[in-house]
Amino acid sequence: QVQLVQSGAEVKKPGASVKVSCETSGYTFTDYYIHWVRQAPGQGLEWMAWINPNSGGTNYAQKFRGWVTMTTDASIKTAYMDLNRLRSDDTAVYYCVRETRSRSFDFWGQGTLVTVSS
Amino acid sequence: QSALTQPASVSGSPGQSITISCTGTSSDVGLYNYVSWYQQHPGKAPKLMIYEVDSRPSGVSNRFSGSKSGNTASLTISGLQAEDEADYYCSSYTRTRVVFGGGTKLTVL
Repeated sequence: QVQLVQSGAEVKKPGASVKVSCETSGYTFTDYYIHWVRQAPGQGLEWMAWINPNSGGTNYAQKFRGWVTMTTDASIKTAYMDLNRLRSDDTAVYYCVRETRSRSFDFWGQGTLVTVSS
Repeated sequence: QSALTQPASVSGSPGQSITISCTGTSSDVGLYNYVSWYQQHPGKAPKLMIYEVDSRPSGVSNRFSGSKSGNTASLTISGLQAEDEADYYCSSYTRTRVVFGGGTKLTVL
């Protein structure tokens, strides 16, 4: 069965960086785009970016360009998200999600809580 | 990049039907049929309920249906049940981005 398993919760200080991983299984990793979506406490969903695991091509929402980096390692079927220069308002649950052929998100990781606090 | 507009909350009694609207623009909801709806219970990851405006994934109850008219998409839940109480999000996928609605809290009275 399809699974996306993310790395554990992180606590970081403002200005620090964090790397969240998303290990996939149950399907051909290079056949489906991976997206990252975040949700601040008590808030809605916010799309961040997508990555094509086959080509490495990426597309970032405007507000995340320059300080968020998406990568993949196809040999271990894992996607990564690097967030730099963290601020307190980056505190959120970060989800990796698989995009379907119909441009929707059918499988979600369990989420990774990143807390940014001094 | 503005979010799609959804009502903050809706409510209904068991057995009733409710509709949640999702308003975008002629550049997203109005231009593409890649509108999806997600259900999220507290502390859980979202779950896909509707894709491509009106299609249901396998395993999703046929009490859930979707539609679109112009720049506004809608999710209708018929025969409300207690377990439908959750947050619902719409999303639109364009060539360059994905945008979500602000979310609607459904309360089953």
